[in-house]
Amino acid sequence: AQKVTQAQTEISVVEKEDVTLDCVYETRDTTYYLFWYKQPPSGELVFLIRRNSFDEQNEISGRYSWNFQKSTSSFNFTITASQVVDSAVYFCALSEWGGGYNKLIFGAGTRLAVHP
Amino acid sequence: EAQVTQNPRYLITVTGKKLTVTCSQNMNHEYMSWYRQDPGLGLRQIYYSMNVEVTDKGDVPEGYKVSRKEKRNFPLILESPSPNQTSLYFCASRTGVNEQFFGPGTRLTVL
Repeated sequence: AQKVTQAQTEISVVEKEDVTLDCVYETRDTTYYLFWYKQPPSGELVFLIRRNSFDEQNEISGRYSWNFQKSTSSFNFTITASQVVDSAVYFCALSEWGGGYNKLIFGAGTRLAVHP
Repeated sequence: EAQVTQNPRYLITVTGKKLTVTCSQNMNHEYMSWYRQDPGLGLRQIYYSMNVEVTDKGDVPEGYKVSRKEKRNFPLILESPSPNQTSLYFCASRTGVNEQFFGPGTRLTVL
């Protein structure tokens, strides 16, 4: 069955530290999409990245980078030189071709606290 | 500005009193969904709609109804709310296989 696991419930770091948020997924589909969303304390969900299953290239966007490895079914998210504004809950999510892409299957989320 | 709006943002109600949470998007998206967010569970899909008059159940549909009479609107109806429906609710829309755009959320408390 499809599933997304974010094993880290909470992470606490000091500003400027690098931090990696883990995401492991399960799916029987060969065609799927993976996402990361950020939920700051204000509560809204902010889209960060979408990656399809045929594109294993790592991606970097400023201080953010993503490592997609199909061999280990992982899509990890690294924040370099973390800042207090990065404090949020981060969700990894999966959308499958078999499901018509009609839903996102979310992990439980990782709460990141960045301290000054 | 492209957006998904929800109303109300906060609602406290009592068991059994019917309520509707509205959702509207201005992006002409075909697909719309409702999710609920509970601690430790992430977000779970309640219902979704692929277009006008086409809706289907998600993972946790019990106790909820939806309708899609117009493309832009997708209200969530709780006919007889119960305390276990206390949650944070998100409406979302997308087109094609693109990312879902989420509304700001509705925090519902059922006493």
